[in-house]
Amino acid sequence: DAGVIQSPRHEVTEMGQEVTLRCKPISGHDYLFWYRQTMMRGLELLIYFNNNVPIDDSGMPEDRFSAKMPNASFSTLKIQPSEPRDSAVYFCASSLGRRGAKNIQYFGAGTRLSVL
Amino acid sequence: DAKTTQPPSMDCAEGRAANLPCNHSTISGNEYVYWYRQIHSQGPQYIIHGLKNNETNEMASLIITEDRKSSTLILPHATLRDTAVYYCIVRLPLNAGNNRKLIWGLGTSLAVNP
Repeated sequence: DAGVIQSPRHEVTEMGQEVTLRCKPISGHDYLFWYRQTMMRGLELLIYFNNNVPIDDSGMPEDRFSAKMPNASFSTLKIQPSEPRDSAVYFCASSLGRRGAKNIQYFGAGTRLSVL
Repeated sequence: DAKTTQPPSMDCAEGRAANLPCNHSTISGNEYVYWYRQIHSQGPQYIIHGLKNNETNEMASLIITEDRKSSTLILPHATLRDTAVYYCIVRLPLNAGNNRKLIWGLGTSLAVNP
């Protein structure tokens, strides 16, 4: 398996623009997680899905952020409108949730977002 | 989930064992200890996990004290490629209804020096 695939790897945009980050989880994994990482706050969980359904979005900072998972192999994280304080590295991770699984989260390479 | 405490940074000489400590004094009886690491500019990577017994895999060994209030991750022969931030995380076992969140602290920044 190619692992968790995120795109784009780097995104530079101007304040006020819409940004869409994409993630393809590992095939067969039923949990998908979106994280944000900054120097000041470390790694923060934004939202996670189980079987394409959002389970916990308490980490989503505000209404400008939204996440969807239309099917088992694709998820998006959208920021509209973007602000400079959204600049961070955004990671997607997936895991296998069946009973007995080790609950190991596998991370993508991340998307480095810069909002000017 | 229990809180963990790790030193912010450590150094290790290449080829020597790196011993990374983690305190989790409020851990409950059924909480597991997980270790991940994050190499610069990459996503975090799972290393090892355990409940009570010591564990070993191809990457590292995990030593958990008898009272389970602390643990040590051991990289037996550290290489320059082991330079990374190492995170110790404590979480409940996975049963129906358990929250899947991992609470990430700031970890230990390990520098392996030549």
